Amino acid sequence: GAVVSQHPSWVICKSGTSVKIECRSLDFQATTMFWYRQFPKQSLMLMATSNEGSKATYEQGVEKDKFLINHASLTLSTLTVTSAHPEDSSFYICSARGSRGNYGYTFGSGTRLTVV
Amino acid sequence: AQTVTQSQPEMSVQEAETVTLSCTYDTSENNYYLFWYKQPPSRQMILVIRQEAYKQQNATENRFSVNFQKAAKSFSLKISDSQLGDTAMYFCAFPPLSGNEKLTFGTGTRLTIIP
Repeated sequence: GAVVSQHPSWVICKSGTSVKIECRSLDFQATTMFWYRQFPKQSLMLMATSNEGSKATYEQGVEKDKFLINHASLTLSTLTVTSAHPEDSSFYICSARGSRGNYGYTFGSGTRLTVV
Repeated sequence: AQTVTQSQPEMSVQEAETVTLSCTYDTSENNYYLFWYKQPPSRQMILVIRQEAYKQQNATENRFSVNFQKAAKSFSLKISDSQLGDTAMYFCAFPPLSGNEKLTFGTGTRLTIIP
């Protein structure tokens, strides 16, 4: 079945530094990638949607300059948290959709980010 | 705007019993899919079952089945013969077939299976 590999699974960084999270679709072409943030015991909150080769569409209230999303190829999308602060600490999950005919959402395993 | 409501924040049931998780939604779309996802302590999102709105027949996957009532916009999940491994957060979700097809998630139900 479809697999999305997300790395790193956890990361600790210092306040003010940047962190990059990668999601790779291993056996299908991810035409659309969704990035979510999840706080403890809460649901998934969509941050942005990206289509390969296009600029990401951000949800209301999500800072574009802080959460940089790149979807340069059909198998790789990255989320970079720039100038991280403790309030950015959270669980980040990506979800990929393939081309038409493969109507499914495949989730990465998530990244736990802790900013100290 | 599309909304998904899960009115049961927490549920618990004895092992081997049957439990039903409720989900209601609101949409102006006519064609869409509905999903139930499971998120165990590992936090990996796992697809449990999927229903296509244009199909009248309720979807079934082994011990998991749904009761889909399109007119009432209700999509409940029934877990039969519950097992300890079913302990997890369960999210109801759906995307429209138009637009960017982003998933709208419910707030989740924390299910605990008691040995």
